[in-house]
Amino acid sequence: QKEVEQDPGPLSVPEGAIVSLNCTYSNSAFQYFMWYRQYSRKGPELLMYTYSSGNKEDGRFTAQVDKSSKYISLFIRDSQPSDSATYLCAMSESSTGFQKLVFGTGTRLLVSP
Amino acid sequence: SAVISQKPSRDICQRGTSLTIQCQVDSQVTMMFWYRQQPGQSLTLIATANQGSEATYESGFVIDKFPISRPNLTFSTLTVSNMSPEDSSIYLCSAGGGTADTQYFGPGTRLTVL
Repeated sequence: QKEVEQDPGPLSVPEGAIVSLNCTYSNSAFQYFMWYRQYSRKGPELLMYTYSSGNKEDGRFTAQVDKSSKYISLFIRDSQPSDSATYLCAMSESSTGFQKLVFGTGTRLLVSP
Repeated sequence: SAVISQKPSRDICQRGTSLTIQCQVDSQVTMMFWYRQQPGQSLTLIATANQGSEATYESGFVIDKFPISRPNLTFSTLTVSNMSPEDSSIYLCSAGGGTADTQYFGPGTRLTVL
């Protein structure tokens, strides 16, 4: 069993839809959670990071962490064609993002005009 | 944040040769890492590049195959040695700590081994 599970997709939605991307994990020691966006042939771009359970909002993006269920989510409101990319969740046992990260396989998102 | 550059951006190499990838950060960072992303797969940590000492390798990765240097707080290199087609992958450098509040990634080096 992988430490971090993520549906590879692709997830296809129309422009303007609310997108929900999810990851589950098995390691209860994970305490730092991140979401990266990766466009084709580019490096991962940090979207959000959070430490502890709860919600964190940044513009159209909301990250949600439920440690009791070992489940994290990224919501994208008013999705745009420019949001089409692969979204990677990443986690760390450290309380900061400076240590080893364990990644999900990534979910490919396609937003159609 | 931290801005990270990598050289080369891509290369095509012959079996049995070696390639050195450079990673440069625009500010001093505590931690630097090297990851591999194989086609259609996620990122796997190769090693942590330690400044002034030997790198710390993850299970399945060895120093003879992936020697790493980190001479200062802003620069690191990864060498892929005695390459085979199975080494064809994207190699990514990341950095965090110091002036960087979390972990950021470079654009990657796309390596093809024939």
